[in-house]
Amino acid sequence: ETGVTQSPTHLIKTRGQQVTLRCSSQSGHNTVSWYQQALGQGPQFIFQYYREEENGRGNFPPRFSGLQFPNYSSELNVNALELDDSALYLCASSLTSGPTYNEQFFGPGTRLTVL
Amino acid sequence: SQKIEQNSEALNIQEGKTATLTCNYTNYSPAYLQWYRQDPGRGPVFLLLIRENEKEKRKERLKVTFDTTLKQSLFHITASQPADSATYLCALGDTGRRALTFGSGTRLQVQP
Repeated sequence: ETGVTQSPTHLIKTRGQQVTLRCSSQSGHNTVSWYQQALGQGPQFIFQYYREEENGRGNFPPRFSGLQFPNYSSELNVNALELDDSALYLCASSLTSGPTYNEQFFGPGTRLTVL
Repeated sequence: SQKIEQNSEALNIQEGKTATLTCNYTNYSPAYLQWYRQDPGRGPVFLLLIRENEKEKRKERLKVTFDTTLKQSLFHITASQPADSATYLCALGDTGRRALTFGSGTRLQVQP
């Protein structure tokens, strides 16, 4: 069973640029959530995808968008990057039923730095 | 608005002692509460889940309590070891939306 993987591990961008982060969910998991974690803070929910549809969104502007593919992998896109977007971006996969329902399995994260 | 508070100051304890971490919340009626461990530069790792109708849950050296009247959870690590040193995150969830609301975490340092 493969865990959640994310790419790239680190990324440096400048203000105004666009970025795409990628996530492969744990085998068999059909739900993917994205979180932003600023230094010294807990993760903040960005949005969740279930069967390729957005299934809930946190308090993030529309320039944060996402996709989920038929194999349940996912992308997070951020347009018009701002300095405050510098953070660790975490992807988490989960199931909608079964004994591990409600557990979120996190990837190692992508560290984004915006200069 | 919903607020989750964890002790922002690091907790330093001696090896072998019991570590107790606190999670308080306001303006929230969660269906369940979870605790995660996070090491520097890594994603959180799930430890325990406790539901609103449960008072206590145990797993090996870990114990979680959940008091919905006080709006508080306590997380205990007994016989703590230096390898337990990490940041511990409390997260609340509800049945309608599987997204989690996290606290900012408490850093635990176990001294040998």
